[in-house]
Amino acid sequence: GAGVSQSPSNKVTEKGKDVELRCDPISGHTALYWYRQRLGQGLEFLIYFQGNSAPDKSGLPSDRFSAERTGESVSTLTIQRTQQEDSAVYLCASTRTGVGELFFGEGSRLTVL
Amino acid sequence: QQQVKQSPQSLIVQKGGISIINCAYENTAFDYFPWYQQFPGKGPALLIAIRPDVSEKKEGRFTISFNKSAKQFSLHIMDSQPGDSATYFCAAGAGGTSYGKLTFGQGTILTVHP
Repeated sequence: GAGVSQSPSNKVTEKGKDVELRCDPISGHTALYWYRQRLGQGLEFLIYFQGNSAPDKSGLPSDRFSAERTGESVSTLTIQRTQQEDSAVYLCASTRTGVGELFFGEGSRLTVL
Repeated sequence: QQQVKQSPQSLIVQKGGISIINCAYENTAFDYFPWYQQFPGKGPALLIAIRPDVSEKKEGRFTISFNKSAKQFSLHIMDSQPGDSATYFCAAGAGGTSYGKLTFGQGTILTVHP
């Protein structure tokens, strides 16, 4: 596609359930990022994938959060045993290596009841 | 030390006025300072960015001013238009191949009245 695609756009879940969020980056973009945006807040870096290198997981808030990426394509962010404080918009972005501009998707809004 | 502090939280200007948003950082390793614009229900989009080797960068009605010694940078929107109404985020990155690993400010909600 022309832009970064994320699904689902909205997800409502019960506390304690696991959720998976998907990101399909722009074709040819080797770098992929996940960010979290809580209501009324700035974006928080979660994790970064660059090609076949080990991901930079330094922003993951707890071991309940994990992410995978297959090659230079789709990425999945998994949140296990969701808590109410996990409620946020999860944004994915991609970029070509060495280029500063991040291209964001429209996000997945997660609500944990 | 990783924080980027942004002000004001919200800003209301009249059409044709100047909008000014300020950011301050502590980490001297930051060497890339972008501004992102976000409309409701959309992801942020890059508006303009600056590196610390220049003190000012202008693109159309948007200007970044950068003060390295004060560790501050600001966004000026000249001749503000209702279509500029959005949330603006400043950010900072520490370069290398991970320019996308950014520390964001809290955001400023800009409203431009017609």
